[in-house]
Amino acid sequence: NAGVTQTPKFQVLKTGQSMTLQCAQDMNHNSMYWYRQDPGMGLRLIYYSASEGTTDKGEVPNGYNVSRLNKREFSLRLESAAPSQTSVYFCASTRGRAGTSYEQYFGPGTRLTVT
Amino acid sequence: LAKTTQPISMDSYEGQEVNITCSHNNIATNDYITWYQQFPSQGPRFIIQGYKTKVTNEVASLFIPADRKSSTLSLPRVSLSDTAVYYCLVGPPNTGKLIFGQGTTLQVKP
Repeated sequence: NAGVTQTPKFQVLKTGQSMTLQCAQDMNHNSMYWYRQDPGMGLRLIYYSASEGTTDKGEVPNGYNVSRLNKREFSLRLESAAPSQTSVYFCASTRGRAGTSYEQYFGPGTRLTVT
Repeated sequence: LAKTTQPISMDSYEGQEVNITCSHNNIATNDYITWYQQFPSQGPRFIIQGYKTKVTNEVASLFIPADRKSSTLSLPRVSLSDTAVYYCLVGPPNTGKLIFGQGTTLQVKP
């Protein structure tokens, strides 16, 4: 079981470039999430997907789009990167509606720098 | 979602018991209390979750008084490897919207 995997681990973009962050989980979880964490701060939810085929905005969705490709995969796209999007991005998953636990499993993160 | 308040930082020494308290005055009836741990350069890791009274697992204990307006995470006999940021979260169990806050940075000294 790999758990939650994210690619790439590191990325440097120039302002205006686009890219997609990939996330996959092999735990058959229903719900998946994307967070960003700025230095010295807690995590902030960007988007989440309660189940395959659904997505919803979190606290800070502006400048991002997501795709729940299938039950395993949830991608995050930056269409036109800005320096304010420099951050560490974490993907997470949880059983979601099928269970009562809040327990989210996190990936190792993607460190993104926008210059 | 209920707002939480916890100390920004705490220091301790190896072998001591550490108690981190979280205030959540506006907790709702169906809210659970959950704690996560985060090491530098890693994603958060679930520690413990509870609804009322006391919950214990192999890592920690969670104490919740009857009014549920606060909770205390207890880490027995900490070691240097427990140095991390600890987050208290409050909300219904199946919501997708977790609010992490700034957490408590615990520094364990030798």
